Amino acid sequence: GENVEQHPSTLSVQEGDSAVIKCTYSDSASNYFPWYKQELGKGPQLIIDIRSNVGEKKDQRIAVTLNKTAKHFSLHITETQPEDSAVYFCAASIGSSYKLIFGSGTRLLVRP
Amino acid sequence: GAVVSQHPSWVICKSGTSVKIECRSLDFQATTMFWYRQFPKQSLMLMATSNEGSKATYEQGVEKDKFLINHASLTLSTLTVTSAHPEDSSFYICSARDHPRSNQPQHFGDGTRLSIL
Repeated sequence: GENVEQHPSTLSVQEGDSAVIKCTYSDSASNYFPWYKQELGKGPQLIIDIRSNVGEKKDQRIAVTLNKTAKHFSLHITETQPEDSAVYFCAASIGSSYKLIFGSGTRLLVRP
Repeated sequence: GAVVSQHPSWVICKSGTSVKIECRSLDFQATTMFWYRQFPKQSLMLMATSNEGSKATYEQGVEKDKFLINHASLTLSTLTVTSAHPEDSSFYICSARDHPRSNQPQHFGDGTRLSIL
């Protein structure tokens, strides 16, 4: 079955710096890759997603890139702010089964 | 839009009791709902996929008689943890999607923290 690996597990950056989180997936049939932000005691919130027919997508300070050949996708956050501190999860959809398989999560800390 | 409400947000109960958790889509019809379990500092693990009007599909290793799922309407799915024990204590999260045949985003509820004494 699908397996999603996520790195790093923790990331500490200075406010204003950029943060990059990387994920790899195993199933070449996966075609949908969302990123979720989870704050303490809350459910995950979708922040951006990308489909396999697109290589890059941007929404203000957040961008996601996808390399289908390498089965690799990344989340980029620019000009980080303390409120960006949270746990971020990548996920991949296993083609026609529509299930999301999540990465292990990255705990991002933005130091003021 | 795309709001998913989960209730209760927190429950404590004695070992051996059954607990029901509700997941509602407030502004869309959810033909498919998903139930996840999350242990502290860990990722979300899919427990089952719930389709309106049909039986839920459980992931390998998830006891269907232990975790009863009902998706009787397009806006409500329930998860009942039967005869709960301390090892069932966890954070249970539901998600919903409004289109059955495409990779539309899943929208998550805020979870239910279950503590079994």
